[in-house]
This record gives sequence, structure tokens and C-alpha cells, in this order.
Amino acid sequence: QVQLQESGPGLVKPSQTLSLTCTVSGGSITSGSHYWSWIRQPAGTGLEWIGHIYPTGSTNYNPSLKSRVTISVDTSKTQFSLQLRSVTAADTAVYYCARGLYYYDSGETYYFDYWGQGTLVTVSS
Amino acid sequence: QSVLTQPPSVSAAPGQKVTISCSGSSSNIGNNYVSWYQHLPGTAPKLLIYENDKRLSGIPDRFSGSKSGTSATLGITGLQTGDEADYYCGTWDSSLSAVLFGGGTKLTVL
Repeated sequence: QVQLQESGPGLVKPSQTLSLTCTVSGGSITSGSHYWSWIRQPAGTGLEWIGHIYPTGSTNYNPSLKSRVTISVDTSKTQFSLQLRSVTAADTAVYYCARGLYYYDSGETYYFDYWGQGTLVTVSS
Repeated sequence: QSVLTQPPSVSAAPGQKVTISCSGSSSNIGNNYVSWYQHLPGTAPKLLIYENDKRLSGIPDRFSGSKSGTSATLGITGLQTGDEADYYCGTWDSSLSAVLFGGGTKLTVL
């Protein structure tokens, strides 16, 4: 059974960098059509995809966050990480890491089959 | 505002049926597959449906998915109080090269 667990500071000051790590257990981070994503949910709003990374290091980001986001992977530690720079109160949210399956079969398919439990990050001085 | 449009809320009585719509465009739903997630407060979202209409193993057949053109629909029959949750559609947008989620729909079982 694949499990994902987010870790990192729960409080970040405005203008600083939010850094989170997701540790994957129970499965390989390098197998198949798996892409490793960060998703967030600000209080009272819906899910927002931040971006993903393939084990080769290839990334895609949400265009609205692209200028502030970096996702990296450490396959030796079965971890991938999120850095979000220049944060403001609007970045306060529950942050999830998730495993995505992405492939083409008469159309592009993308869905998330495993999720971490989520971690609340508050941006405040 | 989400690119994928869902109704903010739906409600129905126990035992009844409800449908939740998800509307997009040709760059996302129109040419790609849709997935659906159930999200209970304080928990991780749970995959229900993938590839428009395939139920994940272990998901009751009370849950169904369909797609027509640039819209997708999640159906839930035999409603139970335990089905009260937020439901999200998701898909890949080929123009943006990004994953999109709908704004979410809160299901209330009266």
C-alpha cells in the first residue's frame, strides 16, 4: 500500500519561502506513469493543483503560481519537495502531496490515486 | 474562479439520487478524461471515478460517472448520510499543460 506523508513548518512569515517535503513509502517513486504532485486547499475554497514532477526531473506548474514554485525530487530518499517563494497570507492552506497517473489513450488521462493526509501551513508574522 | 464549473451545492433525501455536473471546454474535458473525488473535512480526498466512468476498486456501484462533449457528470444513487462531502471533478488541460479541478460541490443529504 503506497503511503504519502507531508512534512515541514506549519508557520511561515510573509515574503519568506514555504518548504514542504513528501515522503513516499510502500512503493517506488520511479515506476510507471506516476507523476508526483502538490495540491493545496485554502480555507473555504476548493482544491488547487500547484504542480508535479516526474522522476526524471521534468516538471509542470500551475500557470498562476509558476513564477514562485519549484518542485524537486530525491529518488534515493523516495521524497519530493515543494518550495513556494515570496508567500503572502493568500498562500495559507492545507497542502497535500499526491501520486498522479498520467497517460494518453484517445485523450489525456490524469488522476490522483494516493494522497497524503495534508498539512496546514499558515503564513503570518 | 475555476476553469471547470460545478454547482456550489446539491441536496437530496436519503435513498434518493443526485447528479453533480462539471463543465469545461475543448482543451480539457472535451478531449481528455475526467476523474471525480470525494473530500470529507479533515481527510485526504478520495478517488471515486477515473477515465470518465471507471469506478476505483472498492467504490460502490451507487457512484457513476459519464461525459458528453465538454461536460461530465457524477451520479450518486441510494444516498446515505455518509455521502455528505465535497465532490470535485478533475482533468488535464492540454492548452495549459496543467491539472484542473472544479470548484467543488457540497452534497447535503437531508
